[in-house]
Amino acid sequence: NAGVMQNPRHLVRRRGQEARLRCSPMKGHSHVYWYRQLPEEGLKFMVYLQKENIIDESGMPKERFSAEFPKEGPSILRIQQVVRGDSAAYFCASSRSLGNTEAFFGQGTRLTVV
Amino acid sequence: GESVGLHLPTLSVQEGDNSIINCAYSNSASDYFIWYKQESGKGPQFIIDIRSNMDKRQGQRVTVLLNKTVKHLSLQIAATQPGDSAVYFCAEEGYSGGGADGLTFGKGTHLIIQP
Repeated sequence: NAGVMQNPRHLVRRRGQEARLRCSPMKGHSHVYWYRQLPEEGLKFMVYLQKENIIDESGMPKERFSAEFPKEGPSILRIQQVVRGDSAAYFCASSRSLGNTEAFFGQGTRLTVV
Repeated sequence: GESVGLHLPTLSVQEGDNSIINCAYSNSASDYFIWYKQESGKGPQFIIDIRSNMDKRQGQRVTVLLNKTVKHLSLQIAATQPGDSAVYFCAEEGYSGGGADGLTFGKGTHLIIQP
């Protein structure tokens, strides 16, 4: 039973490029959460999605960041025109039901902007 | 080994000793708390959780204590082992700035096990 799968594990982008981070939730899970972690810090909530719906994006920067969770396929976190400050680890978590009970995290994508 | 004060970035304990990691939360409306363990280069791993209607919960070698009066959460690890070395985060769920549906994480405590 595969866990939450994130890819790529490491992503290097030049300033101004686009970054696409993918998250496949655990089987049977329809709730996805994205978090960002800066070095030596805790995770910061970004967005909560269900299939085809954004439920809570209160932690998402207003510009350049977007997320989707289509009916088919993984959830995508997209960062347009990346800047150095976007360099961080981005984690996805999934759960079977509403709320964070029994939410399982993926291994993360480490984005480096050069 | 027992942490002194709150939010120590690093806690060093001898193998076999008990560890206590502390966490303060800010929102009295938070009703669900989780401890996560994060090893280097990996995602957070669920350890134990507790709801606000409880003050203590035990798992295998771990105990979480919740003191709602002072908004304090602690994680006790019994007989620490080398594999316990990691960063430990407390997280709270509630309308606390982590979004209505997201978790709010603390900064974390790095637990180091001395042989």
